[in-house]
Amino acid sequence: GESVGLHLPTLSVQEGDNSIINCAYSNSASDYFIWYKQESGKGPQFIIDIRSNMDKRQGQRVTVLLNKTVKHLSLQIAATQPGDSAVYFCAEIKRAGGYQKVTFGTGTKLQVIP
Amino acid sequence: EPEVTQTPSHQVTQMGQEVILRCVPISNHLYFYWYRQILGQKVEFLVSFYNNEISEKSEIFDDQFSVERPDGSNFTLKIRSTKLEDSAMYFCASIRDRDYGYTFGSGTRLTVV
Repeated sequence: GESVGLHLPTLSVQEGDNSIINCAYSNSASDYFIWYKQESGKGPQFIIDIRSNMDKRQGQRVTVLLNKTVKHLSLQIAATQPGDSAVYFCAEIKRAGGYQKVTFGTGTKLQVIP
Repeated sequence: EPEVTQTPSHQVTQMGQEVILRCVPISNHLYFYWYRQILGQKVEFLVSFYNNEISEKSEIFDDQFSVERPDGSNFTLKIRSTKLEDSAMYFCASIRDRDYGYTFGSGTRLTVV
């Protein structure tokens, strides 16, 4: 069936280093993908998205890479800061008629070591 | 920046009681969603709502659940007879149209005792 999953449940990174968070998906019919950040006790916060016809997109300190051949998505955070500590979810979005359906991955906890 | 507002932030209720979780989506958004997250697990889709009716619902969204948009601003999730396993964070989300990503509220933590 369809699934969106993450390889690593916890990632510890030294402050200032780059972080790479990975995600595997199984449904190639998705329209786009989103990375969300969730801090403790808060709702998911949009970070960056990428359409299925793209392979790379850059934001401020973040880059998302999409490899459709192996159905893999990654989030790269440059110069990781303590404020980046959170759980990161990838999500797969399919448009169905006039609305969207989002399937979330399990999440990776990013711990930034000062 | 516009926000999705949810109230209350935390609700404790006895098993079998009815609860209503409230959300105020962003004013020009047209599509509304409820998600839940059981502690330590992933965010799960419950229901989507557009044009005053349910667009899609998951297997979780059984007859105990209902949604309403009673006026032009509020969007509510009602659980008629809560069970222990309904304990979770409930997130409301909205989008303006299908080309934009979701904006989530901060969630309501529901604890059923």
